Amino acid sequence: DQQVKQNSPSLSVQEGRISILNCDYTNSMFDYFLWYKKYPAEGPTFLISISSIKDKNEDGRFTVFLNKSAKHLSLHIVPSQPGDSAVYFCAASDVDYGGSQGNLIFGKGTKLSVKP
Amino acid sequence: DSGVTQTPKHLITATGQRVTLRCSPRSGDLSVYWYQQSLDQGLQFLIQYYNGEERAKGNILERFSAQQFPDLHSELNLSSLELGDSALYFCASSVVDRAGEQYFGPGTRLTVT
Repeated sequence: DQQVKQNSPSLSVQEGRISILNCDYTNSMFDYFLWYKKYPAEGPTFLISISSIKDKNEDGRFTVFLNKSAKHLSLHIVPSQPGDSAVYFCAASDVDYGGSQGNLIFGKGTKLSVKP
Repeated sequence: DSGVTQTPKHLITATGQRVTLRCSPRSGDLSVYWYQQSLDQGLQFLIQYYNGEERAKGNILERFSAQQFPDLHSELNLSSLELGDSALYFCASSVVDRAGEQYFGPGTRLTVT
């Protein structure tokens, strides 16, 4: 059973508008969440993360929101640019800082297309 | 460029064969992770090493094994290959062995015919 779900395989957005990518998780032990971006023929690139003690983290055009009670997180990209077109993976980990494991559980990804 | 290197980029081999994938982590990173990405699956965690020791195991088949050497590079060995082992194999590294950002290499595409 998938512990991290990205229910939208694809999303198309106009340049300059907001892109919202969603992610749901089932394991309440997850306490650290990350978003990765992946271009074709490249490895995933870390984008932004959030710890479960926060509900929002912002980095430039990228903001991640965490709703622990709903076991839901989202990535907002504002404004969207054509160069943002990529596959976005949500990932979660069940060990907070100070633990002994760091492996990530990934969703299947959402392909974002930003049209000029 | 993440600083993580993987060789080879592509590998084509036949069923029943054995292959070795190699990964060099970012300078200073002690932890190495291996992931498999199949066509219909997301990234699946296989195994993690930290400073030469196995730290965590995920969905890794018994036919697969890995190790991390004293210079911190890692190798993933895949044996008795089957058609279903065809996938992208990614290596990632991080400074520590706990939750945090991981930096991924470009991957090795394995095709089993």
